[in-house]
Amino acid sequence: EPEVTQTPSHQVTQMGQEVILRCVPISNHLYFYWYRQILGQKVEFLVSFYNNEISEKSEIFDDQFSVERPDGSNFTLKIRSTKLEDSAMYFCASSEGGANYGYTFGSGTRLTVV
Amino acid sequence: AQSVTQLGSHVSVSEGALVLLRCNYSSSVPPYLFWYVQYPNQGLQLLLKYTTGATLVKGINGFEAEFKKSETSFHLTKPSAHMSDAAEYFCAVRSRNSGYSTLTFGKGTMLLVSP
Repeated sequence: EPEVTQTPSHQVTQMGQEVILRCVPISNHLYFYWYRQILGQKVEFLVSFYNNEISEKSEIFDDQFSVERPDGSNFTLKIRSTKLEDSAMYFCASSEGGANYGYTFGSGTRLTVV
Repeated sequence: AQSVTQLGSHVSVSEGALVLLRCNYSSSVPPYLFWYVQYPNQGLQLLLKYTTGATLVKGINGFEAEFKKSETSFHLTKPSAHMSDAAEYFCAVRSRNSGYSTLTFGKGTMLLVSP
């Protein structure tokens, strides 16, 4: 069964450092997403990406965050200057199409900012 | 704006007992409805979804859910719990109004299954 692959599975970084979280969505999917889950809290939407541009973003997705699809397969989330409160599990997801489709999620990257 | 409420952050059942996880949504137009499961240290796996048609939908691992418009609910059930069902379950909604609308999740319910 096709999978969404995320790397690394765990990342520890010092406050103020830049991190890049990587995702390989399912190859025929057109819509890409990043979500995050702070420990003990709900899964929160960060950003959606379609046709090589951001289609929607939440208030969490401020200027410290950016996304890229640098080639035909990878989809990255960059946090420019990490803060302690960025510590969370970050999930990448992809979807074939419209609103009636569910997403396929990756296994997540656990980011710890120290 | 749409929202999802999951009653009970933790639900405990005995193996073989009925599982009932509650989900209510708030939306001006009935949304698409989803249940996801998250096993420890894993990602979110789609259990089932309701988009249109029959209001009782069946998913993987013996789970099913019924969309009740009058009650704005989409409760998840399984007739007989198994130890392997222990996980966190998330109800989610997605607006019908947009071709690429985002998923909005509830806070999740941890299902604990005892022998």
